[in-house]
Amino acid sequence: KAGVTQTPRYLIKTRGQQVTLSCSPISGHRSVSWYQQTPGQGLQFLFEYFSETQRNKGNFPGRFSGRQFSNSRSEMNVSTLELGDSALYLCASSLDRGSTDTQYFGPGTRLTVL
Amino acid sequence: KNQVEQSPQSLIILEGKNCTLQCNYTVSPFSNLRWYKQDTGRGPVSLTIMTFSENTKSNGRYTATLDADTKQSSLHITASQLSDSASYICVVSGAAGNKLTFGGGTRVLVKP
Repeated sequence: KAGVTQTPRYLIKTRGQQVTLSCSPISGHRSVSWYQQTPGQGLQFLFEYFSETQRNKGNFPGRFSGRQFSNSRSEMNVSTLELGDSALYLCASSLDRGSTDTQYFGPGTRLTVL
Repeated sequence: KNQVEQSPQSLIILEGKNCTLQCNYTVSPFSNLRWYKQDTGRGPVSLTIMTFSENTKSNGRYTATLDADTKQSSLHITASQLSDSASYICVVSGAAGNKLTFGGGTRVLVKP
């Protein structure tokens, strides 16, 4: 069974641009969560999607948005990029929304904002 | 404010030795606590998940303990191997909404 895949793996953008990241969960998994990881802040929760609906949201500005499609694939969008948005963006999928469900992480997309 | 504190920030151990990582949390209400291993440049991999009623859980050479009364957890690595070199992240899930709070991680370096 294929793991969580994220595309692209690396991305370089300039301030003010926007970016869309993609995540394909493990087949059969319906919950997808997004995280931002930086050396200074560590891992921070962005949002969680389940059955095409956003179920949870972290403390990030409205420039960060996402969506989930009927096949559970998810996209994350960041508009008006800032230098501080440079980070590793991780996607994780789980079978359901059960609090003890194991989350499986993808390799991440490393975004650099110049 | 929900917080997860891990210690030490980093440690170096010799191959074959044991080590213990600490995690203290203030997340309330509490649902479960997870330990992840993250190799450099890769996504985290789940090691253990423990609920309120579980005191200890093992995954191979990794053993996690949980004291829900004192809100402390530890991860013990037995007979360390070079492949154990990684960051270990403690994550606590609150009962409301499944929001996860992450610790800053402990970076472990195993030397031959």
